[in-house]
Amino acid sequence: KQEVTQIPAALSVPEGENLVLNCSFTDSAIYNLQWFRQDPGKGLTSLLLIQSSQREQTSGRLNASLDKSSGRSTLYIAASQPGDSATYLCAVSGNTPLVFGKGTRLSVIA
Amino acid sequence: DGGITQSPKYLFRKEGQNVTLSCEQNLNHDAMYWYRQDPGQGLRLIYYSQIVNDFQKGDIAEGYSVSREKKESFPLTVTSAQKNPTAFYLCASNRQNTEAFFGQGTRLTVV
Repeated sequence: KQEVTQIPAALSVPEGENLVLNCSFTDSAIYNLQWFRQDPGKGLTSLLLIQSSQREQTSGRLNASLDKSSGRSTLYIAASQPGDSATYLCAVSGNTPLVFGKGTRLSVIA
Repeated sequence: DGGITQSPKYLFRKEGQNVTLSCEQNLNHDAMYWYRQDPGQGLRLIYYSQIVNDFQKGDIAEGYSVSREKKESFPLTVTSAQKNPTAFYLCASNRQNTEAFFGQGTRLTVV
């Protein structure tokens, strides 16, 4: 059964820092990996989707990488801003629907 | 605007009552999903449907029921058999193996 783990569970950084969020999964037979952002009390907003054949995707200050063979993905956020404060979730899709990690709660301090 | 609409935003259920959460999408997606989110537990899959008139149980289907009579709609009923229904419920949709999109959620509370 696919399991997804996100480390750290919480992270607090000063504004302007670059940071990396980690995601690992146990079964490398995936179709894609997706990163989401969730603000308190809200739904999930899709940030980046990486297909299993891809190594990375970029959107603005966000860069996500995928190493399928080792079961790992990272989300890199450049020049963090207070507006980046949220919970970040990764999820993998394979023979079953999206399986989620528990998320990393990010606080960016002005 | 294209997207997924969940209603209501807040819902209160009395003991022994069935309640239905609505999820509608106008993205022309074949697949739709229901997840439950509890503090510290992440998202857990309740039910999903990959095509009209067909659906499958997820990891925590007990006490829930769904229907998929139209491509655009995938309502979730929380029955009285669900003993701990207080949670945040999220609906999602996608085309097979592509980017998934989520609604804004329904917060269900037992009173």
